[in-house]
Amino acid sequence: DIQMTQSPSSLSASVGDRVTITCRASQGISNYLAWFQQKPGKAPKSLIYAASSLQSGVPSKFSGSGSGTDFTLTISSLQPEDFATYYCQQYNSYPPTFGQGTRLEIK
Amino acid sequence: QVQLVQSGAEVKKPGASVKVSCKASGYTFTSYDINWVRQATGQGLEWMGWMNPNSGNTGYAQKFQGRVTMTRNTSISTAYMELSSLRSEDTAVYYCASYYYGSGSYSYWGQGTLVTVSS
Repeated sequence: DIQMTQSPSSLSASVGDRVTITCRASQGISNYLAWFQQKPGKAPKSLIYAASSLQSGVPSKFSGSGSGTDFTLTISSLQPEDFATYYCQQYNSYPPTFGQGTRLEIK
Repeated sequence: QVQLVQSGAEVKKPGASVKVSCKASGYTFTSYDINWVRQATGQGLEWMGWMNPNSGNTGYAQKFQGRVTMTRNTSISTAYMELSSLRSEDTAVYYCASYYYGSGSYSYWGQGTLVTVSS
């Protein structure tokens, strides 16, 4: 199975900040990467697919980049509703696997 | 609008089985694959397997092979995930999800079903 490693595991930031979360695959996955946001007690919400394509209805403050093994999710101008846990998922090969998550907290 | 509505919380004893349902509405049930993903309390997401509701074809993560069965009833637009030989480590929230990452990308998730395994 492909291992997905996110960094950092947790991150403190202030409203208005810009933050970047990294996801690294244990082997090349081309651009077959998705990003999710999850709030406590809720199902994950898809933000980005194909590494950089925004899911319908997701604001442009979220952006993704990368290819191969290294990927990033950037969130600009943080608002209170953005504080959540973020996961990456590779879907290049079965089984699809997730990163361990990055918890974004208010400073 | 597309909705996936799951069955309610379950409490099971070790060794028992649990069957979670996922009722789809707002689209043609046989059009989208259904995936099952679980999440232990405070932990990350773990993909369990998928099912094509049209053909009934399935694919399971190796970890769950022999213990998980995914089925469907197309007449009521409902998918099922049954997990047997439950142990305490299976205590988790189980999600059904339908997603496609390509032209016309979509992603729909059920609300989750808490399964607690305890003696």
